[in-house]
Amino acid sequence: AQTVTQSQPEMSVQEAETVTLSCTYDTSESDYYLFWYKQPPSRQMILVIRQEAYKQQNATENRFSVNFQKAAKSFSLKISDSQLGDAAMYFCAYRTSEEYGNKLVFGAGTILRVKS
Amino acid sequence: ETGVTQSPTHLIKTRGQQVTLRCSSQSGHNTVSWYQQALGQGPQFIFQYYREEENGRGNFPPRFSGLQFPNYSSELNVNALELDDSALYLCASSPGVRDTDTQYFGPGTRLTVL
Repeated sequence: AQTVTQSQPEMSVQEAETVTLSCTYDTSESDYYLFWYKQPPSRQMILVIRQEAYKQQNATENRFSVNFQKAAKSFSLKISDSQLGDAAMYFCAYRTSEEYGNKLVFGAGTILRVKS
Repeated sequence: ETGVTQSPTHLIKTRGQQVTLRCSSQSGHNTVSWYQQALGQGPQFIFQYYREEENGRGNFPPRFSGLQFPNYSSELNVNALELDDSALYLCASSPGVRDTDTQYFGPGTRLTVL
């Protein structure tokens, strides 16, 4: 079964600085999708960025970028020029289509605090 | 375009009772997935409905059941509530079940079982 591990329960960053959130996963599949979701205190889960495993190029969305290392099964999220609105719980997720059903497997999350 | 909505926002039940949670999918989406998020943890997949049929189930007992209606809205039913069922229940809709179909989440229903 696939598992997702986020080893940093909590991270802090100064406003305007850069922070990297770590994620590792375990799978025997060769083709899959990886996601970072943000869950602010309001609770609504918002998609931040996604990466297709067959693509070698790292995904980028404005200030958010990933470092995808397929061989190492690592998928970190870099947030540049951090803003107060970035403060939230961040979840790394793996999407499997191997089993019947197209489900997401989530890590335990990392709380990101942004200091002004 | 209306996003994913869930009702109610909060719910308090007692052990042994039954509960129904509702989800309206985003316009154009025919797939709904349900997740349980215990406090301080990541969401856990309960099941998914695609075009009114169950399309996969996580490791949850049969007292967790669901429905999807012709308009693709969905219900999650939980019978014989236990204290450990207290959690945030998230619904996510997607345009389909292809690898390229991203799931979009609703705001969740906070269930407290006393």
